[in-house]
Order: sequence, then C-alpha cells, then structure tokens
Amino acid sequence: SAVISQKPSRDICQRGTSLTIQCQVDSQVTMMFWYRQQPGQSLTLIATANQGSEATYESGFVIDKFPISRPNLTFSTLTVSNMSPEDSSIYLCSVEGGGAANEKLFFGSGTQLSVL
Amino acid sequence: AQSVAQPEDQVNVAEGNPLTVKCTYSVSGNPYLFWYVQYPNRGLQFLLKYITGDNLVKGSYGFEAEFNKSQTSFHLKKPSALVSDSALYFCAVRDHYYKLSFGAGTTVTVRA
Repeated sequence: SAVISQKPSRDICQRGTSLTIQCQVDSQVTMMFWYRQQPGQSLTLIATANQGSEATYESGFVIDKFPISRPNLTFSTLTVSNMSPEDSSIYLCSVEGGGAANEKLFFGSGTQLSVL
Repeated sequence: AQSVAQPEDQVNVAEGNPLTVKCTYSVSGNPYLFWYVQYPNRGLQFLLKYITGDNLVKGSYGFEAEFNKSQTSFHLKKPSALVSDSALYFCAVRDHYYKLSFGAGTTVTVRA
C-alpha cells in the first residue's frame, strides 16, 4: 500500500490569496490525482498529474486557478489561486497502488481549506 | 460516461443489526467498482473492490459487497453493524485511466 502525507491538514486563508498543498508519497507512482470535496458533497476530480507532462484538467477546472506541479514520481503540489469563499473545501490527493495493491487508489488525509 | 448512484442519503441501524448501503452503476464495458469510507476529519479509506471474479467481494472491517450485473448494483453489506461503523460511505467506479467517479455518499449512523 502507499502512504501519503498531505500538508497542510487545514488552513484558513483570506480572499484573493493563494495556497499550495503538498502531497508526498512513500513510493514512486505514475499517476497522482487531485480531488475536491465541497462541504456536504461528494468528491470531484480536479486533475490528473503525471510526472514529466502537463496535468490533465477535468471539465470545470483550469490551470490558472489550480496550477499543479509534479517534479518527480513521489511528489506533487496543487495551488488554489486567487481564492474566494467558494473554494472552501477539502482537497485530497490520491495515487494508484502498485504491485499487489494495483487497481486501487489510496488517498491522503486531505487539506481542509476555509476562505474568509 | 460512467457513473454511480447512491439512492440513500442516510442509513440508520441499531448495533448488531445487518447494514446495507446501496449503490447502482452505469458503465460501458466491464465495471471496476469500489467502496470507500470516510471518517470525520480523515481521508478516504479503501474498503473493497470488484474487478472480476466472484460476485461476492470481502473487504476490510467485516464488510462485503455483492456485484449484480443484471441489476447493475454493488451494494455494501455488513452482517452485524458496530457503532464504530458510523461514517460516510462512498461507492465509486473507475475508468481505464484510474479516474474515479464517486457517488453522492451515504451517511451511516449505527445507534447503540
């Protein structure tokens, strides 16, 4: 199984600022995913981040608002830019399991973001 | 497009009673189905998956799920619920690129 460390676990930010969320995995993985969980709602995929290429964004999400970095096979960052109260959500990173855990996705503990 | 539906927002059961959380799916091709659980202030934890093989899948914490192709369902079950099973449960379907589509979630409350 993959162990995922996500930082920060929570933050309270001012409108118009940006926050960068870090996701560190204890093993090399090809694909990393970023999800958003708005209050009381299900999870929605923001983008897929593969090392060595631009992230692929889902409908409704754009790179200018959610820039993603993937500098190596164990690390990724998601930035929430020019924040507004509507960005208040839990943001989770996820990775595919390898080996015996293949075909399974593991999730970080999430970053709870509140925008004032 | 693939999707899953969880018809119940909430399920309430007494401790010791059977627990069922419903999920139906819509996919083209063979479904890759998952159940995840989310405890308060924590990330998602994998419970079980169906890729192929036996229709009855056993997972973590005594949970199991039955894949029913004719009814396009993948209901989560536990024979005897515990208070500690109280959490938010998500059904999900995966595509060939490992992207998950989640249901709306079902809040399970197990009363002592």
